[in-house]
Amino acid sequence: AAGVIQSPRHLIKEKRETATLKCYPIPRHDTVYWYQQGPGQDPQFLISFYEKMQSDKGSIPDRFSAQQFSDYHSELNMSSLELGDSALYFCASSLGLAANEQFFGPGTRLTVL
Amino acid sequence: AQSVAQPEDQVNVAEGNPLTVKCTYSVSGNPYLFWYVQYPNRGLQFLLKYITGDNLVKGSYGFEAEFNKSQTSFHLKKPSALVSDSALYFCAVRVILTGGGNKLTFGTGTQLKVEL
Repeated sequence: AAGVIQSPRHLIKEKRETATLKCYPIPRHDTVYWYQQGPGQDPQFLISFYEKMQSDKGSIPDRFSAQQFSDYHSELNMSSLELGDSALYFCASSLGLAANEQFFGPGTRLTVL
Repeated sequence: AQSVAQPEDQVNVAEGNPLTVKCTYSVSGNPYLFWYVQYPNRGLQFLLKYITGDNLVKGSYGFEAEFNKSQTSFHLKKPSALVSDSALYFCAVRVILTGGGNKLTFGTGTQLKVEL
């Protein structure tokens, strides 16, 4: 079965640079979630989208923005990168806003030098 | 606030012995609870969930979890541990958000180490 696809899998950036992470949900899934997992930490909810509209916002820095496109894929844009942004970024998808279960992608590991 | 707690940072068990990874929850209303496993430098793999129904939930790779409402617990168990079960385990609860959607709130994780 098709799963959530994230690209790139690994990304290395310098401080103050920008990064764009992409997420392709499971086919027919209309809801996308972004989570950030710092080193040794549990995943933290950043933001979610349903039907191309922002649904909810968590602990997402103002330097980050995201959107969901007409084909339901989502992009997380990160600007003015800081060392503390180094983390594993997960995307998850679900069918419907009130879905019981979220399906996670493999994550993108971002390293900021 | 709705949350889960994993009281143990690490659990060590010998291969072949039963294992338990503990999780307690603090939720108003009916909890939707999940267990995920994470291998080094890998993503989150879904193990099992409790939504409603039988208190004993069976999941992937021989794992099961027991929902206990009186003790507000959702401990993960396996009758016979394997070395390959060594990984980081997260308990999570679904939290309904003001925008109508939901998020998962995770526990701090428990590192399981299974030794020969």
